[in-house]
Amino acid sequence: GPKVLQIPSHQIIDMGQMVTLNCDPVSNHLYFYWYKQILGQQMEFLVNFYNGKVMEKSKLFKDQFSVERPDGSYFTLKIQPTALEDSAVYFCASSNRDKYAEQFFGPGTRLTVL
Amino acid sequence: SQWGEENLQALSIQEGEDVTMNCSYKTYTTVVQWYRQKSGKGPALIILIRSNEREKRSGRLRATLDTSSQSSSLSITGTLATDTAVYFCATRDYAQGLTFGLGTRVSVFP
Repeated sequence: GPKVLQIPSHQIIDMGQMVTLNCDPVSNHLYFYWYKQILGQQMEFLVNFYNGKVMEKSKLFKDQFSVERPDGSYFTLKIQPTALEDSAVYFCASSNRDKYAEQFFGPGTRLTVL
Repeated sequence: SQWGEENLQALSIQEGEDVTMNCSYKTYTTVVQWYRQKSGKGPALIILIRSNEREKRSGRLRATLDTSSQSSSLSITGTLATDTAVYFCATRDYAQGLTFGLGTRVSVFP
């Protein structure tokens, strides 16, 4: 089936540093999402992105977070500066239509902030 | 949270047995999706049930939806070791993003 790739699989950084998580969505998909999952807790929606713009974001999407997809390359989530509570697995997803279309998820990037 | 605390479960069963897991949701939804997440992988949609359906089947999977009690269930018949995973129900609180429950960890032993 369609595959979403995420790079890197694991990132360890010091608190206060900047980090960029990369997602390579399914090639013909137009809608992109980030979710956050803290160990042992439920996965939570962060943001969705379409046509170069943030369409909707949750309260977890702090001011330190930003997303972009320059020139159809990777869909990225940048955190600057990072905080200890940002440690989690971040999942990227994409879909080819809005709302009720199936979202395809990547394997996640485990972010550890020390 | 959209989901009740009772959703967090861990089930251990033997291959061949059937298993059913439940979840309940607090706010109105027109679609409940069930995802399976295997170790080290992202979630994958396995079955979706709409508010005008009481039951949906796909292979060994069966989902039910009771909109009056705002609850859904997922059953797997004749489990296999490869069914070992965490199963999540999800709805759409947001216009585009999914809201996931805590999940049920199912371990199927040969």
